[in-house]
Amino acid sequence: AQSVTQLGSHVSVSEGALVLLRCNYSSSVPPYLFWYVQYPNQGLQLLLKYTTGATLVKGINGFEAEFKKSETSFHLTKPSAHMSDAAEYFCAVTNPNRDDKIIFGKGTRLHILP
Amino acid sequence: DAGITQSPRHKVTETGTPVTLRCHQTENHRYMYWYRQDPGHGLRLIHYSYGVKDTDKGEVSDGYSVSRSKTEDFLLTLESATSSQTSVYFCAITKDSNTEAFFGQGTRLTVV
Repeated sequence: AQSVTQLGSHVSVSEGALVLLRCNYSSSVPPYLFWYVQYPNQGLQLLLKYTTGATLVKGINGFEAEFKKSETSFHLTKPSAHMSDAAEYFCAVTNPNRDDKIIFGKGTRLHILP
Repeated sequence: DAGITQSPRHKVTETGTPVTLRCHQTENHRYMYWYRQDPGHGLRLIHYSYGVKDTDKGEVSDGYSVSRSKTEDFLLTLESATSSQTSVYFCAITKDSNTEAFFGQGTRLTVV
């Protein structure tokens, strides 16, 4: 069975500082991994995804994530936080087995301090 | 943006009444999902569908039923609403079971 754990339900960073949101997964096969963002009163939007190939994945709005198999991690980073990045972020995992569904983490709310 | 429409967007209903939420897609995606989102619980899967008339239960299916008579529509029914079903409900679609999901805008349901 697959699972995903997001460390920290709330993270606060100052504007201009590095954003680091942590995600660890459990999977018996090489996973597909996703990060989604949810702005207030909206649905989730895909930020980036990893399926195969390059382990450093770039997404929208300057975010990127690196798949580290040895650490079973897929942490989300952004070099310089902007006020507009304040939102909730969800990590998700699935695998190439077409019978499996996407499993979401519980989410991390990112607060940007002026 | 993926064409997903949820209706209604907001609803207040009384305990014990039936409620139906609708999800409509224009992407012709095979898979459709209903999630509920509650503080501290993230997204929890209620039911999903992998084709017309093909549905299955998720992790929190008690008290909910679904139907999918057409590719584009996926209905979620609360047969007798309870206060514990007050939540924000999201519909999502995927082309295959393991591809990225596209979400609707959500339905905020309050059961009083």
